[in-house]
Amino acid sequence: AQSVTQLDSQVPVFEEAPVELRCNYSSSVSVYLFWYVQYPNQGLQLLLKYLSGSTLVESINGFEAEFNKSQTSFHLRKPSVHISDTAEYFCAVSGINNDMRFGAGTRLTVKP
Amino acid sequence: EADIYQTPRYLVIGTGKKITLECSQTMGHDKMYWYQQDPGMELHLIHYSYGVNSTEKGDLSSESTVSRIRTEHFPLTLESARPSHTSQYLCASRPGWTDNGYTFGSGTRLTVV
Repeated sequence: AQSVTQLDSQVPVFEEAPVELRCNYSSSVSVYLFWYVQYPNQGLQLLLKYLSGSTLVESINGFEAEFNKSQTSFHLRKPSVHISDTAEYFCAVSGINNDMRFGAGTRLTVKP
Repeated sequence: EADIYQTPRYLVIGTGKKITLECSQTMGHDKMYWYQQDPGMELHLIHYSYGVNSTEKGDLSSESTVSRIRTEHFPLTLESARPSHTSQYLCASRPGWTDNGYTFGSGTRLTVV
C-alpha cells in the first residue's frame, strides 16, 4: 500500500517570493504522483502529474514538481507566487493497480 | 466547466434526519469515489465503485451507504444524521485505466445540528 506525507501543514509566503511545498511518499511498487489544488469552497483540481519519463513536470500556471525516486519525494515549487495562488495543495500517490492516497494538505497563504 | 456535479453545495439538517448527497458525472467514467474531508486532515475514502452494481467501503468506517445503478450517478445516503457527520463530502471519478488523475466535484458541506 502507498502513503503520502506532506511535511508542512501551513506555508505563509510573501508575493513574488519562491515557494516549495514538500511531499514524501512510501510505496513498494512503481507509482504515479499527483498534485491537486483546492481553492476555497471548491473541489480539488489536478495541478500536475508524474507518470513516467522526465522527472520534472510542469503546470500551466508556473508550478513544477520533481520526482526523486531515491528520496521518495515529489516536491512542488514555484519561483514567484501570486496572491491568487493562495489555496490548499494536496499531494497524492497511486500505484499501478491501486486507487489514490492523499496527503493531509498544505495551506499556502500568499501575503501582499 | 465541471463535468462532475454535486448537490446540494451546502446543507444544514437536524439530528436523526435521512439525507442523500447527489453526485453525477457526464464523462462516462467507470470508477467513482466518495471522500470525507475535515480541516487539516487527509482525505478519507468512505466508499468507491468500479462500475454499475459495484460498491465497496473505503478505509474510513462510515455509517453511510451508496448505490451505483447507473454509470453516471453515485448517491450517498445517511439514514440518520448525527453531529459527528458534520464534514465536507467530495465526490470524484476517473476512467477505468489508472494513469489519469481524479476529477472532483465541488463538494457538499454538511452540518448536522
